[in-house]
Amino acid sequence: KQEVTQIPAALSVPEGENLVLNCSFTDSAIYNLQWFRQDPGKGLTSLLLIQSSQREQTSGRLNASLDKSSGRSTLYIAASQPGDSATYLCAVTGGNQFYFGTGTSLTVIP
Amino acid sequence: DTGVSQDPRHKITKRGQNVTFRCDPISEHNRLYWYRQTLGQGPEFLTYFQNEAQLEKSRLLSDRFSAERPKGSFSTLEIQRTEQGDSAMYLCATDGQSSGNTIYFGEGSWLTVV
Repeated sequence: KQEVTQIPAALSVPEGENLVLNCSFTDSAIYNLQWFRQDPGKGLTSLLLIQSSQREQTSGRLNASLDKSSGRSTLYIAASQPGDSATYLCAVTGGNQFYFGTGTSLTVIP
Repeated sequence: DTGVSQDPRHKITKRGQNVTFRCDPISEHNRLYWYRQTLGQGPEFLTYFQNEAQLEKSRLLSDRFSAERPKGSFSTLEIQRTEQGDSAMYLCATDGQSSGNTIYFGEGSWLTVV
């Protein structure tokens, strides 16, 4: 069974800092990988989708990379802002379901 | 606004009662998923529909759980004889060719069993 791990579980940074969130998965036979943001008590919002054939995707201050062979993905957030404070989850797709990590809780301190 | 609508947003019920959650997907999405999420955990897969066909069910979906998607539109998730361990957020998500495989989640339905 696919297992997804996210490190660190929690991260606190001062505003303006660049940061990296990590995601690893055990089975490299994935269809795609997505990064999500979740605010407390809310649903998930998709941030970036990387197809298995791609190496990275960028959206604004966010950049996600994928190394399928090593089973790793990173989410890079540039120039962090207090509004970036949320839980970030990665999920890999295999078959008809998404396998989620437990997330990284990010706090950006003004 | 993701376009996936869930109702009710919050439900408090006594143990042993039945509850039903509804999900209205983005209209052009033919795939619909139900997930369950507890505090501090990532969402766990429950079941998946392609149009009206329920194609996959997790072992988490005990006999007390049933999901339907009549006519391939909205979906319902019913939990019978609720237990305290059923307390969680139940998330609906949809995707399809038009979304380029990006999955869209609803805001979730919080269930508290007392």
